[in-house]
Amino acid sequence: GAVVSQHPSRVICKSGTSVKIECRSLDFQATTMFWYRQFPKKSLMLMATSNEGSKATYEQGVEKDKFLINHASLTLSTLTVTSAHPEDSSFYICSAAKREGTDTQYFGPGTRLTVL
Amino acid sequence: LAKTTQPISMDSYEGQEVNITCSHNNIATNDYITWYQQFPSQGPRFIIQGYKTKVTNEVASLFIPADRKSSTLSLPRVSLSDTAVYYCLVGTEGDKIIFGKGTRLHILP
Repeated sequence: GAVVSQHPSRVICKSGTSVKIECRSLDFQATTMFWYRQFPKKSLMLMATSNEGSKATYEQGVEKDKFLINHASLTLSTLTVTSAHPEDSSFYICSAAKREGTDTQYFGPGTRLTVL
Repeated sequence: LAKTTQPISMDSYEGQEVNITCSHNNIATNDYITWYQQFPSQGPRFIIQGYKTKVTNEVASLFIPADRKSSTLSLPRVSLSDTAVYYCLVGTEGDKIIFGKGTRLHILP
């Protein structure tokens, strides 16, 4: 199997607070994890690539100081949305690459963030 | 990274076979073709992956012609629960996969 979990599944917070989202690969090791965000009726948009033990690589237009990514182990990556604002409300999804020749990615169930 | 084109939306009826075709004219020699399914408020789920000819698993079949410039995802005897967005992805950009707009499949009773 290739199971990826996310926690929490949904979170509501006040504007100005920070929120941490965890992404875990449960039955495999992932040297690389990815973070996406998705707005309603839109496709997934890659935010950053997270490599274990090194700094994340952010896509153009994604503020690295706002979306802090830590990849502390081969099975855990975290995304912290700092000083969240209502426009950060979105569906955040992580994925982990399973190294089996084709670099298939397996996705977590997503985290719904609502900033009031 | 190969650009993909697939229909924005499709409707079908329960019990029918549904075929979703994806065009990827500039597919590279090393690129695999991967399809994902996404339900509302869930992460994408891997459905099937192939390189050439035909691949079949318990969920779907994937047909890839010899020139590999397109591929067709075939869902046999769909049910209402197959209503979802289906994404065709070809190759990677380094480690990254970039999602296109996908095909919104709506199954009618």
